[in-house]
Amino acid sequence: QVQLQQSGPGLVKPSQTLSLTCAISGDSVSSNSAAWNWIRQSPSRGLEWLGRTYYRSRWYNDYVVSVKSRITINPDTSKNQFSLQLNSVTPEDTAVYYCARGPHAFDIWGQGTMVTVSS
Amino acid sequence: DIQMTQSPSTLSASVGDRVTITCRASQSVSGWLAWYQQKPGKAPNLLIYEASTLESGVPSRFSGSGSGTEFTLTISSLQPDDFATYYCQQYNGYSPTFGQGTKLEIK
Repeated sequence: QVQLQQSGPGLVKPSQTLSLTCAISGDSVSSNSAAWNWIRQSPSRGLEWLGRTYYRSRWYNDYVVSVKSRITINPDTSKNQFSLQLNSVTPEDTAVYYCARGPHAFDIWGQGTMVTVSS
Repeated sequence: DIQMTQSPSTLSASVGDRVTITCRASQSVSGWLAWYQQKPGKAPNLLIYEASTLESGVPSRFSGSGSGTEFTLTISSLQPDDFATYYCQQYNGYSPTFGQGTKLEIK
């Protein structure tokens, strides 16, 4: 069955870059029908979709407006995974981060990574 | 962005009860709505998509209805495993958005 395995640090200093990776098993990051998403959850913001990457003859990325200037989601076809980079983080970016498979409803989720932004 | 509003925020019920949770969208999302169940420390779990289609493996006591701006999730007979937080999510617009959640508690 399809599984997503997240990895990355749980503590990031303010102004630095948050980096997480989501390894896919049982599906392909290059799938023509799936989209690969990052979603975060915090008590103050609830569940917030951050963005996605997907392949439809070429690669596409979509990002939520609120973080568009700071976010990059990249596929890695050699390792069948995708990554999240969020630059210039502040304590407001403290949350549980999830990767999830779309393209519309999210049917498969990673286990979640609690990321704390603190010095 | 399309805003999603759930009601109630908290619901107290007993095993065997029939419960309904409502989700309203700030503009029409047609039928592009999903429902999730989340338990503490776990990722959300997809229950229903396209407003009324049950995800594979989800018990039939869960059902969804609605279109446009108003949707409902119904659990026909609550089981002990159903006490959790439920979220709606629209995927009609560019940015998927979630409701704030409904916590279903044991009365």
